[in-house]
Amino acid sequence: EPEVTQTPSHQVTQMGQEVILRCVPISNHLYFYWYRQILGQKVEFLVSFYNNEISEKSEIFDDQFSVERPDGSNFTLKIRSTKLEDSAMYFCASSLSRDRVSQPQHFGDGTRLSIL
Amino acid sequence: AQSVAQPEDQVNVAEGNPLTVKCTYSVSGNPYLFWYVQYPNRGLQFLLKYITGDNLVKGSYGFEAEFNKSQTSFHLKKPSALVSDSALYFCAVRDSKSGGSYIPTFGRGTSLIVHP
Repeated sequence: EPEVTQTPSHQVTQMGQEVILRCVPISNHLYFYWYRQILGQKVEFLVSFYNNEISEKSEIFDDQFSVERPDGSNFTLKIRSTKLEDSAMYFCASSLSRDRVSQPQHFGDGTRLSIL
Repeated sequence: AQSVAQPEDQVNVAEGNPLTVKCTYSVSGNPYLFWYVQYPNRGLQFLLKYITGDNLVKGSYGFEAEFNKSQTSFHLKKPSALVSDSALYFCAVRDSKSGGSYIPTFGRGTSLIVHP
């Protein structure tokens, strides 16, 4: 079964540095998402992306964050100037569509981001 | 606004016994409901969904869930638990109402521990 893949599995970064998290969604999927999960807490939506633009974003997704689909296969999340509170597991997900007969999202295994 | 509640942080059950993981929701329209499972250091895996139709939904690994509109609940069940079912379980809801968010809201998760 096709999978969403994320790299790296663990990223350690100094506070204030930029970090890019990478994802390869399932190839025929059209909608892409980033979520984060702070240790022991619930999964929080960050942003969704369709047709090369952001379709929805949460209040967590402020100006420090950006997303890009640079080459038709990768989907990246950039955090410009990391803060300690950005430490979390970041999950990428993709879905075939977002229509009313809802398709489930397929998640990658996540990137654990540790800010020092 | 849509919301979902998982009232139990942890559920303990003996192997071979039936299990129930509870979920209640709130939406303004009709709900789309999902259950996901998360194993350690892995992403969320889709288990089952309710969109419309039969209130009893069957999913992966022998799990099922019952949609109860009057109680606004979507409890996850399995007749006979396995030790390998031990994981974190997330309920999610999306409002089917036109113009609403396409993004599901996740619960805080319930840790299921199945004892040998």
